[in-house]
Formats: sequence, structure tokens, C-alpha cells
Amino acid sequence: GQQVMQIPQYQHVQEGEDFTTYCNSSTTLSNIQWYKQRPGGHPVFLIQLVKSGEVKKQKRLTFQFGEAKKNSSLHITATQTTDVGTYFCAGKNSGTYKYIFGTGTRLKVLA
Amino acid sequence: SAVISQKPSRDICQRGTSLTIQCQVDSQVTMMFWYRQQPGQSLTLIATANQGSEATYESGFVIDKFPISRPNLTFSTLTVSNMSPEDSSIYLCSVVGQGNTIYFGEGSWLTVV
Repeated sequence: GQQVMQIPQYQHVQEGEDFTTYCNSSTTLSNIQWYKQRPGGHPVFLIQLVKSGEVKKQKRLTFQFGEAKKNSSLHITATQTTDVGTYFCAGKNSGTYKYIFGTGTRLKVLA
Repeated sequence: SAVISQKPSRDICQRGTSLTIQCQVDSQVTMMFWYRQQPGQSLTLIATANQGSEATYESGFVIDKFPISRPNLTFSTLTVSNMSPEDSSIYLCSVVGQGNTIYFGEGSWLTVV
């Protein structure tokens, strides 16, 4: 079945450093979404990417969808302690309503 | 956006018992989804609940263990039956809103002892 893997599994950074998490799907996706889950919380939607090669920015966060629509990345510039949490990608194939969540990357930011 | 309320938010359950989780949405939705998130893990889709029909279960999940009800367009329940410690997880109800955004309830954190 479809698999969505993320690397790294964990990342510890010093506050102010950059952070990137990568998402790779075993199948071509129709779109991909990113979610953030704070410790003790539930996943919260960040963004959706639909087009091949699409790049979107939200303040310090940059999201990219690969040309082949099988991978994606989330880059955070100059991390802050408020960025702590687990970041999940979720991909969907065309013709289905179901999203498959990636394995997640847990980010810890050291002040 | 959709506002989703889940009950209970947390519970400690005895092995062998069953617990029903309720999910209430503030608007009518066609499909509701139930996910499980085991400690430190990602989210796994348990089933899709459509109003007026039986839920559709994902591989590895069966109706006897996770019966689901969907009596109307704003409400669903998930029962975790005959619980064992392996069922200790967060159970999340979700709906798909505008633009395919998935909205999650705050989750029901179950510990089975």
C-alpha cells in the first residue's frame, strides 16, 4: 500500500538555527498537506500544495512540492521555541478522499 | 472552518471493558473520519463514517473491535471494544472542510490498565 515517510524522525536545533523536514511518498500524489502537532495537542492544518514544483511561504515557513509530486519539504528559518512540535505531511492520491499521514518529524528547539 | 468537540477528552479504562467516544461537529458534513495515534507515532486512519451507511474500515481494523455509528450529519461515535493495553492511544475524529483541509477534534486520550 501507499507509504509516506518523513526524515528526520527527530531534530534538535538551537534557537535561531534553520530546520528542514522531508516527506517522501511511494506513489504520485494529487496534493499534499502539512500539519503541526504541539505536545499534548491535536494536528493543526498549516498548508496545502497542489501543483508540481509549487512553493508557498508562511512567514518563516517555506513549503515545497516536488516536480514529480512524490515529495515535499518544510523549511523553517531561524527557529523559535514556539516552533516546537511534530510536523506531519499528509498525501492524497487522485480518485480517493483519504489522506495518508507521514511518519512525522519531532522538532525540539533549545533556547 | 469546522469546530469539532470530542468526549471524553481523557480516560483511564480497565482491560476488557469498552469505551464509546463521541464526536460532534458544528456543521453538517458528509464524511467523518476516525484516526488512531499510538504514543509517539503518526496518525492511522481507522475508518470513514458516512451518514446512513456502514462505516468503511481500513486494513487492520474491524467493526467488531471498533464499531462506529453515524446517526446524522453532525455526530458520530467510535467504540473501542474489549480494550487491552495496546489500545492505549489518542483517538481523533476529523472532517474535511473547504479546500480539502482536515479539521481534527482535540482527541480522546485513552489509557488502558
